[in-house]
Amino acid sequence: NAGVTQTPKFRVLKTGQSMTLLCAQDMNHEYMYWYRQDPGMGLRLIHYSVGEGTTAKGEVPDGYNVSRLKKQNFLLGLESAAPSQTSVYFCASSPREAGDRNEQFFGPGTRLTVL
Amino acid sequence: AQSVAQPEDQVNVAEGNPLTVKCTYSVSGNPYLFWYVQYPNRGLQFLLKYITGDNLVKGSYGFEAEFNKSQTSFHLKKPSALVSDSALYFCAVVSLASYNFNKFYFGSGTKLNVKP
Repeated sequence: NAGVTQTPKFRVLKTGQSMTLLCAQDMNHEYMYWYRQDPGMGLRLIHYSVGEGTTAKGEVPDGYNVSRLKKQNFLLGLESAAPSQTSVYFCASSPREAGDRNEQFFGPGTRLTVL
Repeated sequence: AQSVAQPEDQVNVAEGNPLTVKCTYSVSGNPYLFWYVQYPNRGLQFLLKYITGDNLVKGSYGFEAEFNKSQTSFHLKKPSALVSDSALYFCAVVSLASYNFNKFYFGSGTKLNVKP
């Protein structure tokens, strides 16, 4: 049981380049999330999904797109990277049962630098 | 609006001494409260949560937290700190207003330094 995995672990992009971050979970969780972590700001929710084929905007969605084509995968895309998107990105998942009483399970993170 | 405040960026404590990491919250409705720990270059790990019931919640690695509704606080505590407890700690709140979907609001984090 690998839990939540993220690919890649590190990436350096040039301004304007695009990339996709992959999150996979093997716990059969309905809910999945993408966060970014910046120093002194905690974690901020970018997008989330309550099930396969559904996505919704979080707190800081601008410049990002997501897709949830399969229940176990949640992709985060940057169409045209900007230096302001330099951050550590975390994926998380949680089960649907007892919804808001559940803790979220986090992946190890992706460190992205945009030059 | 939901929010969480961790008033201390950093807490320093000597090994063997008790530690407290503070958290206050603001929500509409009753809160669900969580503590997470993050070790360097790792993801967040769940420590404990308060949903309802006893105000003193016990969690992993000997940590506990006390829910205080009147002070809107949920401070993390441990009777005797270990050097290995040194990490970044996050408090998070979920409001029932979000109805059955745990959209978390995280605090800014507190770095705990435990010195030998």
